[in-house]
Amino acid sequence: DAKTTQPTSMDCAEGRAANLPCNHSTISGNEYVYWYRQIHSQGPQYIIHGLKNNETNEMASLIITEDRKSSTLILPHATLRDTAVYYCIVRETSGSRLTFGEGTQLTVNP
Amino acid sequence: GAVVSQHPSWVICKSGTSVKIECRSLDFQATTMFWYRQFPKQSLMLMATSNEGSKATYEQGVEKDKFLINHASLTLSTLTVTSAHPEDSSFYICSARYPGTDPQYFGPGTRLLVL
Repeated sequence: DAKTTQPTSMDCAEGRAANLPCNHSTISGNEYVYWYRQIHSQGPQYIIHGLKNNETNEMASLIITEDRKSSTLILPHATLRDTAVYYCIVRETSGSRLTFGEGTQLTVNP
Repeated sequence: GAVVSQHPSWVICKSGTSVKIECRSLDFQATTMFWYRQFPKQSLMLMATSNEGSKATYEQGVEKDKFLINHASLTLSTLTVTSAHPEDSSFYICSARYPGTDPQYFGPGTRLLVL
């Protein structure tokens, strides 16, 4: 599975959009981009995933560049409860393994 | 999304004893479940993949005789930490997915402290 690179930490003001970047320059054609988050002392929570088209659900939007080498997770109106470690993971949908990197610690400030 | 539960959420045990952790998929049948371990300030590490009705597949470096996994039904997988030692103290998390689909849904985790 392709390796991903994320910033170690980010801050965001409550009510503003949080834009979390992820680089995956070695992604292959059949690999999806997945986003999970982990709030302190809890299990990870699935957010969204996509292949090449932009995706949106009730939690977030996923923007994938045309060359698929990077993506951005957007939380449109961040709240204090969105403070968590966000993981960007790339893998084939048929594969079973989720390889977690270090992720981005997002802190939403009042 | 699907709901995955774990029991217990917290366990404290003495060194040398065995501890069993349960992972249940509450509203779907999961042919495959996964067990992860997370040490403080570190990321999740996959320990093993549990398949219903067959033997688990362990990741390199994970002792299969120490971490016994049983996936006896489509909604239940158990992880038994045998002869636990203080270095086994960690946050154990399971996940499950609908057969042949994505994504994986995670349980809330079980925190194990071995004294």
